[in-house]
Amino acid sequence: EVQLVESGGELVQAGGSLRLSCEASGFIITSFWMHWVRQAPGKGLVWVSRINSDGSSTTYADSVKGRFTISRDNAKNTLYLQMNSLRAEDAAVYYCARSRYYGWGNYGFDVWGQGTMITVSS
Amino acid sequence: QSVLTQPPSASGTPGQRVTISCSGSSSNIGSDAVNWYQQFPGMAPKLLIYNDNQRPSGVPDRFSGSKSGTSASLAISGLQSEDEADYYCATWDDSLDGWVFGGGTKLTVL
Repeated sequence: EVQLVESGGELVQAGGSLRLSCEASGFIITSFWMHWVRQAPGKGLVWVSRINSDGSSTTYADSVKGRFTISRDNAKNTLYLQMNSLRAEDAAVYYCARSRYYGWGNYGFDVWGQGTMITVSS
Repeated sequence: QSVLTQPPSASGTPGQRVTISCSGSSSNIGSDAVNWYQQFPGMAPKLLIYNDNQRPSGVPDRFSGSKSGTSASLAISGLQSEDEADYYCATWDDSLDGWVFGGGTKLTVL
């Protein structure tokens, strides 16, 4: 079964750091671009970051650029998000997602994890 | 404020057809395919439509997508109570160099 399982979410103080993990099963992450998407309580989905299939290219939303780092451990088939200098506005459920190529240069997030919650105290 | 604009709410009665709009610009919807996601409370989003109008395996044909210029729409025909959920449009934005989502539309089945 194709599955993503996030972990690492917890209560952290503003200015602190946290690393989220996303373990994949049922597929090899090196075959896909992988993403992090977050959702603040009662709010909509916001894309955070992506990493390409071989890990050579990463992209970030402006709101997290310079503070968050996406990475992957191919041997563990796991995606990570290192979050530093956390702010109150970073509090959210963080989802990892797989993007599948659908042709004509287009992708979609076809597999999602269950999410892990980050709470930031000031 | 989201880059893609969706109505915050929509509603319909069982059996009706409802549509949810998603408005963007030339740097996103106007130049890239639109995907739609369905999300139930406390659950992860699920891909509903990709490439503007394609359904993944298992998605009922009651759900359909369309796009014209810088706007896209999700239509749900034969509305059912289990369709009550939040719906999000999404696409790549060439100017922002990132994925963008609409603010989401909460669909209520009356």
